Order: sequence, then structure tokens, then C-alpha cells
Amino acid sequence: GQSLEQPSEVTAVEGAIVQINCTYQTSGFYGLSWYQQHDGGAPTFLSYNALDGLEETGRFSSFLSRSDSYGYLLLQELQMKDSASYFCASNYGQNFVFGPGTRLSVLP
Amino acid sequence: DAEITQSPRHKITETGRQVTLACHQTWNHNNMFWYRQDLGHGLRLIHYSYGVQDTNKGEVSDGYSVSRSNTEDLPLTLESAASSQTSVYFCASSESDDGTGELFFGEGSRLTVL
Repeated sequence: GQSLEQPSEVTAVEGAIVQINCTYQTSGFYGLSWYQQHDGGAPTFLSYNALDGLEETGRFSSFLSRSDSYGYLLLQELQMKDSASYFCASNYGQNFVFGPGTRLSVLP
Repeated sequence: DAEITQSPRHKITETGRQVTLACHQTWNHNNMFWYRQDLGHGLRLIHYSYGVQDTNKGEVSDGYSVSRSNTEDLPLTLESAASSQTSVYFCASSESDDGTGELFFGEGSRLTVL
């Protein structure tokens, strides 16, 4: 079956670094994506890992370990505007299955 | 600029009524998806399409249908709305096999069934 697990909530202070973990149980797994969603808004794409290792995009980095069925999103130099929900999503073929989301609160 | 739009953005309806949510994309993407989002459940796949005349059931398809008569549109129909279908609905599209793992989402349609 397709299922992903993430922590439900994470809290950090402005300027800090936070890591949001995601574990998945998938067959035919292709890769892991990360999306950000602000309250009342649509999910927006952040990053994608098809291969093991770290992908860096500005303040955000994403990591994948296929052998551990595990990935994480790393947010550096946290800003207040980073307060949002973050979803990992696995794609198998051309379909996507989403995790339940992690709500990140950034405190001043 | 290419985009994906949903309408209506907000709708209130009564139990038993038929409701159609529209989704239109100008990305020329072959793949289109409908998700519903409920607190604690993340995004759950309702139906998807890989091209014109192709439709497939997702994880939570009961009570919903879609049709794909052209590349740009994938309307979602609730045949007989139920209170359990009160939710926020997101349409999304993607390139087929582009290897980026990227979905483009519409702004969402908030449906309330009374």
C-alpha cells in the first residue's frame, strides 16, 4: 500500500534550522516531493528527490534515503513567513500520494 | 502565463443535489488530478486522468465522477452531495514523465454540503 508518515507539528524560532521527517511505505516508488501550503492557500512545490542524497534550493534542502524509506526537508534561517504546513508526497508512476502534513510554527 | 483555475471557489449546497466543480489548465499538461483536503487527512486522491478520454479512480472515488473531453478541463461531479463531502477540493496537473515530481495546484474550491 501507499502511506507516508510525518510529525503533525513542529515549532522553531526565527533564524533557527528545522528538519521535517517523512517515512514512506511504497511499492514502485519513484521519488519524494515536498510541498508548502499556507493557511487558505494551495500547495506549492518545493523540491523533489529521485535519487539518494541532498538537494539544495536556497534556504530549503531535501534529503532521500531509499534504503531507509526515509526523507526529510531542512529549512534554514527560518523566517516568520515559513509558518505553514509541509507535505511530503511520493510518486509512483505518474500518481502522487501525500503524507498527512506537518504544521510548522515559527516563533519570533 | 500558464495557469490552473478552479470554479467556483466557494459553494454551499444541500444534501442530494448534484454539484460540478470546474478545473481548467493552460499548461497543456496530459495529467490532471482531483484531491480533497480534510483536517488530519492531508490530500487524498479522488480521480485522475492521463489524457483525453482517460479517467481513473483514486483512493476516495465513491460518490464522485470525472470526464476528460479535452486536454484543458477535468470537471468533478458529485452526483448526489452528502455532508461527508464537505471539504476543500484541489485540482492539479503535471507533465507526464517529466521526472520532476512537480504538481501544479489550483487555488481550491471550498464546498459545504448542508
